[in-house]
Amino acid sequence: GQSLEQPSEVTAVEGAIVQINCTYQTSGFYGLSWYQQHDGGAPTFLSYNALDGLEETGRFSSFLSRSDSYGYLLLQELQMKDSASYFCAGSYGQNFVFGPGTRLSVLP
Amino acid sequence: DTGVSQDPRHKITKRGQNVTFRCDPISEHNRLYWYRQTLGQGPEFLTYFQNEAQLEKSRLLSDRFSAERPKGSFSTLEIQRTEQGDSAMYLCASSQPGQGYEQYFGPGTRLTVT
Repeated sequence: GQSLEQPSEVTAVEGAIVQINCTYQTSGFYGLSWYQQHDGGAPTFLSYNALDGLEETGRFSSFLSRSDSYGYLLLQELQMKDSASYFCAGSYGQNFVFGPGTRLSVLP
Repeated sequence: DTGVSQDPRHKITKRGQNVTFRCDPISEHNRLYWYRQTLGQGPEFLTYFQNEAQLEKSRLLSDRFSAERPKGSFSTLEIQRTEQGDSAMYLCASSQPGQGYEQYFGPGTRLTVT
């Protein structure tokens, strides 16, 4: 089947850099998206990688390595408001599979 | 652009009853998705429409679940004979043609089955 794996929790301090990893199954895989979800809120789109390499969007960057079936989300200059759950999501044809999510806690 | 809207926001029903949820996508988005999310988990894909055509349906979706998008605009998700295990947040999302990787989510409908 199609499944993605992420660490369940990450903790970092304000101003730091944090990396959230995601591994995925390759069969039928097209690309990897990242979403942020605050408690009680809806997921919001952050970034997408279809090709190997780094995509940068402000303080957030996302990376994909197809040969390693691996990607990560990099958050720089962490702010308190970045405390949220982060989901990687694989595109598999018409199907989209979300990972279990990584809960990021940013400490002062 | 008013975003994706869902109605109702909350629904409490008794086991065995039928419920129907509505989703209004962003107007220029031709793709519409339904997901189910339980606490501490990622959204679970249920089904996907391109315009009025239902192109994909999760094998996890039992025959008690049905979705429609009759005119290619709003969509409804119906759950028949609800069970306590159906209690969850039901999320709708939409995307532009060719950009399914960038989905815009609505606020969700929280279903509680008692």
